[in-house]
Amino acid sequence: NAGVTQTPKFQVLKTGQSMTLQCAQDMNHEYMSWYRQDPGMGLRLIHYSVGAGITDQGEVPNGYNVSRSTTEDFPLRLLSAAPSQTSVYFCASSPPGQGSYGYTFGSGTRLTVV
Amino acid sequence: AQRVTQPEKLLSVFKGAPVELKCNYSYSGSPELFWYVQYSRQRLQLLLRHISRESIKGFTADLNKGETSFHLKKPFAQEEDSAMYYCALQGVGTYKYIFGTGTRLKVLA
Repeated sequence: NAGVTQTPKFQVLKTGQSMTLQCAQDMNHEYMSWYRQDPGMGLRLIHYSVGAGITDQGEVPNGYNVSRSTTEDFPLRLLSAAPSQTSVYFCASSPPGQGSYGYTFGSGTRLTVV
Repeated sequence: AQRVTQPEKLLSVFKGAPVELKCNYSYSGSPELFWYVQYSRQRLQLLLRHISRESIKGFTADLNKGETSFHLKKPFAQEEDSAMYYCALQGVGTYKYIFGTGTRLKVLA
């Protein structure tokens, strides 16, 4: 049981490049989400999914796309990287139902856009 | 507006001193409240859920609906408590969470 796995751990991109951050969980969690963590701003929700085939926008979705073809995987795509997207990205998941179980977080991806 | 406020960016205390990390929220209804902890360069971990009324690593948190607060407390701080602490709110009937901006706790020897 690996929990929530994110890859890569570190990435440097040039402005305008695209890339996909991977997130996978093996806990059969329905709910998955992506956050970005910036100093002084806490965690801000980018996109989330309540199940396979269902995604929705969070607080800061511009410049990012997601898809949820399986319960396990929830990749985050940066379409055309910008320096403002330099951040630490966390994927998180939560069990089925809407009880107060809390999130399980991945270890994060530290992204630098130059 | 739905909001979680952590008024202190940094809190420094000496080892053995009491700790209180403040969290206030704004939400129309009765949300679920959580505390998460992030040790240096590690992933966030769930520390406390208000619904379970548990004590983890000596930390407790009481939900005060009148003051809309969920402050995190520990009677005697330890150096290993140094970390970033986030208060979070989950809306009833939703999966979505709202996080505060976090408080960095430094426990000095």
